[in-house]
Amino acid sequence: GESVGLHLPTLSVQEGDNSIINCAYSNSASDYFIWYKQESGKGPQFIIDIRSNMDKRQGQRVTVLLNKTVKHLSLQIAATQPGDSAVYFCAESTWLIQGAQKLVFGQGTRLTINP
Amino acid sequence: DTGVSQNPRHKITKRGQNVTFRCDPISEHNRLYWYRQTLGQGPEFLTYFQNEAQLEKSRLLSDRFSAERPKGSFSTLEIQRTEQGDSAMYLCASGYDEQFFGPGTRLTVL
Repeated sequence: GESVGLHLPTLSVQEGDNSIINCAYSNSASDYFIWYKQESGKGPQFIIDIRSNMDKRQGQRVTVLLNKTVKHLSLQIAATQPGDSAVYFCAESTWLIQGAQKLVFGQGTRLTINP
Repeated sequence: DTGVSQNPRHKITKRGQNVTFRCDPISEHNRLYWYRQTLGQGPEFLTYFQNEAQLEKSRLLSDRFSAERPKGSFSTLEIQRTEQGDSAMYLCASGYDEQFFGPGTRLTVL
């Protein structure tokens, strides 16, 4: 069945350091993945996505890497800031009727930025 | 604010009562999704609307749950005869490809 999970439930880094958050997925047929950030009391916020025909995609201070061989993706955050403190989820997309998507989320990793 | 809005933000109810939540999507989005999130877990898909048509329902959506989107704009999610296990955050999302989430309605069933 579908399963998306994260290796670590918590991660603490020093402000200014780089963070790497990992995610494993089980559905080898998945072709679209998304990283979300969720702050306390808020809904998930889109960070970056990647399709299966890519290995790497970069955004502002964030990079997503996809390794289809081992069904693993990671989110790298450069020069972390206090505002990066949140729970990060990877999500795998399953196609529904007429092009819509059902997102299958992992459990999340809580990122804490230490001053 | 032109994002997805949800009301109420918090709801406390007694077991056995009925509750209804509302979601107002981003106005031009014809796709609307409901998810449920329990503490410490990622959101789980409940149902999907395209315009007013409910096209997909999860097995999580028991017969006590009903969702509507009568005019293809706002949507409601009703839970009848609430149980303590229904306590969760109920999230609404809208979009074309990317899904934009609302702030959620936190339900506590006593």
